[in-house]
Amino acid sequence: QVLLQESGPGLVKPSETLSLTCNVPGGFLSSGPYYWSWIRQPPGKGLEWIGYIHYTGSTNYNPSLKSRVTMSVDTSKSQFSLKLSSVTAADTAVYYCARVNYGGPPRGDYWGQGALVTVSS
Amino acid sequence: DIQMTQSPSSLSASVGDRVTITCRASQNIRTYLNWYQQKPGKAPNLLIYAASTLQSGVPSRFSGSGSGTDFTLAISSLQPEDFATYYCQQSIGTPWTFGQGTKVEIK
Repeated sequence: QVLLQESGPGLVKPSETLSLTCNVPGGFLSSGPYYWSWIRQPPGKGLEWIGYIHYTGSTNYNPSLKSRVTMSVDTSKSQFSLKLSSVTAADTAVYYCARVNYGGPPRGDYWGQGALVTVSS
Repeated sequence: DIQMTQSPSSLSASVGDRVTITCRASQNIRTYLNWYQQKPGKAPNLLIYAASTLQSGVPSRFSGSGSGTDFTLAISSLQPEDFATYYCQQSIGTPWTFGQGTKVEIK
């Protein structure tokens, strides 16, 4: 069992930067065939993949968000992070971190519980 | 981007019913297809990956099939805990994309 945990502010003002961190216990961050991913879900809507980061620091972002997204990894703290700049109300969503196992076809096999981020002044 | 289309968007069924949900990809994704279950207020939970491989710990009443562009998730005998929203997702190419979801409700 891999228990991922998101943390960060639940309220962000328009035009500011959303910042979230995902804690990955047990040393999994720098082991195995894993990408570390962020996915979001606006209230009452479907899932949108934001991007992923490998423990080596390589990243892959959704082109629809690429200009505003930065992901980073800190193996010493067993954490990876998401920054989304210039947010608007459309960025209000539950943000999930997830482990994507790419030993075979990639799949999100462990997810955090999610963090609701509201963009409002 | 690869578009994923699920049908139906919602369905009503009774405990014990066999339920099938379909997912169509806008291009050939071979078997790079995952199915997730999401209950209200919870994170998605992986059920099936590589179109037909049951994730560890998932009950055997769930099964997946298909390849190319057409896929099916089947629940052989619906249980009370199966009432949820189900999503398909392609992982052959980024951006990884999800279907819009199928809500399974109690009849």
